[in-house]
Amino acid sequence: NAGVTQTPKFQVLKTGQSMTLQCAQDMNHEYMSWYRQDPGMGLRLIHYSVGAGITDQGEVPNGYNVSRSTTEDFPLRLLSAAPSQTSVYFCASTSTGAEQYFGPGTRLTVT
Amino acid sequence: GNSVTQMEGPVTLSEEAFLTINCTYTATGYPSLFWYVQYPGEGLQLLLKATKADDKGSNKGFEATYRKETTSFHLEKGSVQVSDSAVYFCALTNTGGFKTIFGAGTRLFVKA
Repeated sequence: NAGVTQTPKFQVLKTGQSMTLQCAQDMNHEYMSWYRQDPGMGLRLIHYSVGAGITDQGEVPNGYNVSRSTTEDFPLRLLSAAPSQTSVYFCASTSTGAEQYFGPGTRLTVT
Repeated sequence: GNSVTQMEGPVTLSEEAFLTINCTYTATGYPSLFWYVQYPGEGLQLLLKATKADDKGSNKGFEATYRKETTSFHLEKGSVQVSDSAVYFCALTNTGGFKTIFGAGTRLFVKA
């Protein structure tokens, strides 16, 4: 099993550009989520999904979109990048009541 | 609502010192409790977990006991190594649930 994979590992965007961060898991987990981690801060939940076709907002959803067309994939879209979105982004998946499995992260810089 | 509070860092120790990182929680019901570790440049990975009161989770010399009476899950290690330098996160998930609440993280530096 590859676990949770994320691409790209690094990305630099200019303000106003859009892009999609990819996330995939091969553990058949129903629950997937996206977090951002900023220096000196913990993890903040952006969006999550409880299954294919179902998504919901976390605590910092503004400026981001998600969709869940399959169990495996959960892409995160930045609609119009802003410097405030410079961060490290982590995707995670889990099954009910179990631990979270994290991807390796995407380091995003917006100039 | 549910919350997790852990001690602020950074914590700096010499090799072979005793480590304690405090974690307390607020939750309804009977959550599962976790410690995750994040090494530099990597994602979080599970260090240990406990799913019911008085359970002790352990891994790689680290231990934590689920104390319902004090709503705590403190992380301990008897003798730290330089390779233990990382950020440690305490977390909880409600029984039967999937949304995880994380503490703010505690950075540990271990000096040789």
